[in-house]
Amino acid sequence: AQSVTQLGSHVSVSEGALVLLRCNYSSSVPPYLFWYVQYPNQGLQLLLKYTSAATLVKGINGFEAEFKKSETSFHLTKPSAHMSDAAEYFCAVSDQSGGSYIPTFGRGTSLIVHP
Amino acid sequence: DTGVSQNPRHKITKRGQNVTFRCDPISEHNRLYWYRQTLGQGPEFLTYFQNEAQLEKSRLLSDRFSAERPKGSFSTLEIQRTEQGDSAMYLCASSQDGFNQPQHFGDGTRLSIL
Repeated sequence: AQSVTQLGSHVSVSEGALVLLRCNYSSSVPPYLFWYVQYPNQGLQLLLKYTSAATLVKGINGFEAEFKKSETSFHLTKPSAHMSDAAEYFCAVSDQSGGSYIPTFGRGTSLIVHP
Repeated sequence: DTGVSQNPRHKITKRGQNVTFRCDPISEHNRLYWYRQTLGQGPEFLTYFQNEAQLEKSRLLSDRFSAERPKGSFSTLEIQRTEQGDSAMYLCASSQDGFNQPQHFGDGTRLSIL
């Protein structure tokens, strides 16, 4: 069975500072991993995805994530936070175990950006 | 690609009433998912369609919930005899085939039970 843990329900950074949002997964087979962003009163929007090609994945809005199999992690980073990055971020995992097509989502991390 | 469309955006109803939500997926996507999201939580899976076939339902989905996807196009989610605990954001997502395919979400329907 697949699962996702997002460490820290809230992360607070200053504008211009490094953003690091943590995601650890559990999967019995090679996983597919996704990061989504959600702004208030909107649906989730794909930031980036890992599908077994390059381990460093670049996404939209300057975000990137690195797949580390040994650490079962897929942390999301951005070198310099912008006020517009304030949102809820969700990590999700999908794999072929059990034949289910249903991705599993983490509980989310709220990113707060201070001026 | 016009995106996933959900209607209505907001629904306020009295406890005990029935409500129905509609989702129009991206036209070339044959998979459609319904999720429920409460404040501070990630999306909670409710049910999934492959074309018109409902292939999976969450064990958390009570008998008061039913979903359809006639002709494999739009989908409806109905909640009968609504309860206070049904208050949430209901999200619809669609995707192409494949475990590596991301989901495209609509903006959701926010349900408030008075």
